Amino acid sequence: AQSVTQLGSHVSVSEGALVLLRCNYSSSVPPYLFWYVQYPNQGLQLLLKYTSAATLVKGINGFEAEFKKSETSFHLTKPSAHMSDAAEYFCAVSEGNSNYQLIWGAGTKLIIKP
Amino acid sequence: NAGVTQTPKFQVLKTGQSMTLQCAQDMNHEYMSWYRQDPGMGLRLIHYSVGAGITDQGEVPNGYNVSRSTTEDFPLRLLSAAPSQTSVYFCASSYSIEQETQYFGPGTRLLVL
Repeated sequence: AQSVTQLGSHVSVSEGALVLLRCNYSSSVPPYLFWYVQYPNQGLQLLLKYTSAATLVKGINGFEAEFKKSETSFHLTKPSAHMSDAAEYFCAVSEGNSNYQLIWGAGTKLIIKP
Repeated sequence: NAGVTQTPKFQVLKTGQSMTLQCAQDMNHEYMSWYRQDPGMGLRLIHYSVGAGITDQGEVPNGYNVSRSTTEDFPLRLLSAAPSQTSVYFCASSYSIEQETQYFGPGTRLLVL
């Protein structure tokens, strides 16, 4: 069965530092992969998605993620953190092409230190 | 466009009470879904719909009912609230059932005493 693991329920970085949020998945077939962001007191919004095109996916707000099949990973990065990046980030994976098949990670709360 | 709207934002219920969480979207999306979000866990799918008159169960459907009489509205009913249903509930919609961007409402925080 497919699963998603996000390493670290909380990640703290200084403003201007590299952001790295980890996501590993288990899947028997090439998956669809997503990162969503949830700002305080708001619903989730899509950051980026991988659907078997380029392995390096660029998203909104300067974020990008790289699909590494050999490592079954889809880590999210941003070169320089901004205070406005403080939010909770969710990784999601699906083996099928339907939204109801999505399996969600537990989320990582990103804390930005001034 | 208002996007996906949810009401109420916050609700307190007593065990055994029933209530309906409202969800509406104005984007003419076919696919709508309800999730619950609990601390330390990912979103879990409760019910989903692929169009008016068509609904199906997700991962955690017990204790919840849904209906889809129009494209715009997808209410979630709690039949007899239990403390285990204390959670944050999100409604989401997308243009189709296929792996499309889902648009989420702001959520309803429910506390069952």
